[in-house]
This record gives sequence, structure tokens and C-alpha cells, in this order.
Amino acid sequence: AQSVTQLDSQVPVFEEAPVELRCNYSSSVSVYLFWYVQYPNQGLQLLLKYLSGSTLVESINGFEAEFNKSQTSFHLRKPSVHISDTAEYFCAVSERRDDKIIFGKGTRLHILP
Amino acid sequence: DTGVSQDPRHKITKRGQNVTFRCDPISEHNRLYWYRQTLGQGPEFLTYFQNEAQLEKSRLLSDRFSAERPKGSFSTLEIQRTEQGDSAMYLCASGLTRTGGNGNTIYFGEGSWLTVV
Repeated sequence: AQSVTQLDSQVPVFEEAPVELRCNYSSSVSVYLFWYVQYPNQGLQLLLKYLSGSTLVESINGFEAEFNKSQTSFHLRKPSVHISDTAEYFCAVSERRDDKIIFGKGTRLHILP
Repeated sequence: DTGVSQDPRHKITKRGQNVTFRCDPISEHNRLYWYRQTLGQGPEFLTYFQNEAQLEKSRLLSDRFSAERPKGSFSTLEIQRTEQGDSAMYLCASGLTRTGGNGNTIYFGEGSWLTVV
């Protein structure tokens, strides 16, 4: 069965600084990978996903994530964060055979002024 | 445009009572998922449906938990003989998927908060 590990429960970072949120997954078969975001007092929503093709995927608000099969990772990065990026970020994985989506425990991104 | 709706949004119940949550997915979506989320944790997978078929229920937390999707549209999650440890947010999500999986995006409802006192 697939699983997801997000090593950092909280990441503090200064505004306009770069950030990386780490995600590692485990699966015996090919996977799809996702990052979902939960802004304060809002529901979960998709940020970006990797299905196939280019291993680098981007979101509309400047985040990107790179699928690394050899390291079984899907780290999320942004070169310059804004206060509006304050949220909890969840990495998720589903095996290609069944679309059962399993989430990590989340990383809280805390932007410092 | 109606998203995923869940009812009730908040439920306070006494220990030992039964509770039922309802989820109405986005209308054309064939997949429906139930998750549980506690403070500081990610959504914990409970069960999911393809139309009316329940594809997996082994991760339901105990035999007190059951879920149905009788006509392949709305779904209910029932917790019998509630315990204080059941206090959490119960999330429903829906998506459109082909048989075998296609990396569909799932859309979450606002969740149903359960407090067991």
C-alpha cells in the first residue's frame, strides 16, 4: 500500500525568501502525485499534480514540484513566498491502478514578516 | 456551480449515540471518498466508492463505522456508539475517474465537525 511522509510539520520562512516543503512517498507500483493546500478557514484544494510527462509541474501562483522517481520524492518549492502563502500543505499519492488518494500529515507554512 | 456539500457542518453528540453524515458530490462525479482529519494531521483515508460500489472499506476505523452510496449519488457515513476518540472532522471528496485510475483531481467539501461529549 502506498504511503506519504512529510518530514517537516512546520516551516517558518521570511517573506520573499525561497521555501522547499519536502515529500517522500512509498509505493510498489507507478503513482500519481499531488500537492493540496488548505488556507486558514478554507477547505482543501488542489495546488498541482504530476500525472506523466515532464517531471517538473507548476501551479498558477508560482509553486513548482519535481517528481524524482529514484529518490521517491515530490518536493514543493517556491522561489519567493508571500504572506498570502500562509497555509497548510498536504502531499498526496495515488497508485495508477485505483486512484485511491492517500495524504501525508501536512506541513504548516508560516511566513514571517 | 455546486461543489461538494456536506451536512451537518457541526454535530455535538453524547457518547454512545449514533451519528450520520451526508455528502452530496459534484453531480457528474463517479468517485466519492471519505476521510477523517484531526487537528494537526492530514486527511486519513476511510473508504471510497465508484458509483454505488464500495471499493475499499478495510480502512474504516472500526466496525462502528459504515458508509453507503445506494444510488451512486449522495453518500452517508454512519458512526454507531460514538466514542470521544471519534471527535474529528469528517471530509467528503468527489472526482471523475476512469476504471483503473487516471489521476483525477478530487474536490473536497467543507467537512462535518463531530464533537463527542
